[in-house]
Amino acid sequence: DGGITQSPKYLFRKEGQNVTLSCEQNLNHDAMYWYRQDPGQGLRLIYYSQIVNDFQKGDIAEGYSVSREKKESFPLTVTSAQKNPTAFYLCASSQTGLGEQFFGPGTRLTVL
Amino acid sequence: QKEVEQDPGPLSVPEGAIVSLNCTYSNSAFQYFMWYRQYSRKGPELLMYTYSSGNKEDGRFTAQVDKSSKYISLFIRDSQPSDSATYLCAMKRDSGGSNYKLTFGKGTLLTVNP
Repeated sequence: DGGITQSPKYLFRKEGQNVTLSCEQNLNHDAMYWYRQDPGQGLRLIYYSQIVNDFQKGDIAEGYSVSREKKESFPLTVTSAQKNPTAFYLCASSQTGLGEQFFGPGTRLTVL
Repeated sequence: QKEVEQDPGPLSVPEGAIVSLNCTYSNSAFQYFMWYRQYSRKGPELLMYTYSSGNKEDGRFTAQVDKSSKYISLFIRDSQPSDSATYLCAMKRDSGGSNYKLTFGKGTLLTVNP
């Protein structure tokens, strides 16, 4: 089955720790995205990547970092610099920038 | 003024009702319009994807775009309890560096009661 997988589903982190969220897609899509969703809020774009080895900041990139070494993988690191990291994180991909974006199942991060 | 406004609800309807969900927007550069359905604690699922003004139908779902009024709608006919979810509208420009970015409404929580 083609799709987007995210792991882990739930993640707990102590303050001051960096954590990395995994996102993998087998749709052969060029573009990948990371969004953050807070209760009662729409999705906000953190980073996106149009091609391998290239990525751009979204609206709320501070405290986050990404890499795109392979077409199918786009991991997100939540650093200790992110002041309010507890949220639901969603990864998405699309064939091109104009194509439909399809989402993974999400990772819920809680900072203890 | 926010770029995309969506009534958060909650909206509660009886099974079989016609549901109307709406978003307004302020940026006339938006050309592509989407509706996503999101069940609790799950990722959003793309329901409808439309370009420019007009209607698009897919089964019980109809998406309507009125660019002159900057208003989009999603209609659900013969609503079912399984339609209970949060519905998110999203839109984007069609050119330039911003065409990758989706701008989302905050979502409307819908409950369909058996």
